Amino acid sequence: EVQLVESGGGLVKPGGSLRLSCAASGLTFSSYSMNWVRQAPGKGLEWVSSISSSSSYIYYADSVKGRFTISRDNAKNSLYLQMNSLRAEDTAVYYCARQVNWGRFDPWGQGTLVTVSS
Amino acid sequence: QSALTQPASVSGSPGQSITISCTGTSSDVGGYNYVSWYQQHPGKAPKLMIYEVSNRPSGVSNRFSGSKSGNTASLTISGLQAEDEADYYCSSYTTGSTNVVFGGGTKLTVL
Repeated sequence: EVQLVESGGGLVKPGGSLRLSCAASGLTFSSYSMNWVRQAPGKGLEWVSSISSSSSYIYYADSVKGRFTISRDNAKNSLYLQMNSLRAEDTAVYYCARQVNWGRFDPWGQGTLVTVSS
Repeated sequence: QSALTQPASVSGSPGQSITISCTGTSSDVGGYNYVSWYQQHPGKAPKLMIYEVSNRPSGVSNRFSGSKSGNTASLTISGLQAEDEADYYCSSYTTGSTNVVFGGGTKLTVL
């Protein structure tokens, strides 16, 4: 069974930094593109970033470009999201998801909550 | 990149069928057969229900079906059951720098 487990969320002050991790198991991690998708409280899903299997292709939503950095370590079956210059509007549950094909995310992790507040 | 347009809410009685629309442009929904649908129950992670417009992953009930016409994709749920009450999101591949766009979500209420 494919499992994705996020960690690293928490409370951080505006302007602060946080690094999220996503540990993958039950799949050949190095074969798949991976994504981060977030959901602000009571709001819809917002795609954040994606990274190809070999890290050759990386994409970001305009809302996080220049502040967030996605990376992966295929040897450790892990995905990361380094978040800098955090703002209140970055408050959300952050999900990692395997990308099976364009726009096909399956499965998703359980999510980790990031709260940006003073 | 603008989000895809979905109705905020739909409702139906048990046993009935409902359809949720997802409208985009020729740069996303209309241009590619990479439309997916996700179901999300409160406090839970999204679950893939339909991919590539009309394909169901293994384990998803055949009461769920997808289609597309022009720039609008649709998710139909037949034989509504109480457990179908959830939020539903569409997504599509899109040209440009982001390559993925989601709809705003639709809350399905089973009356």
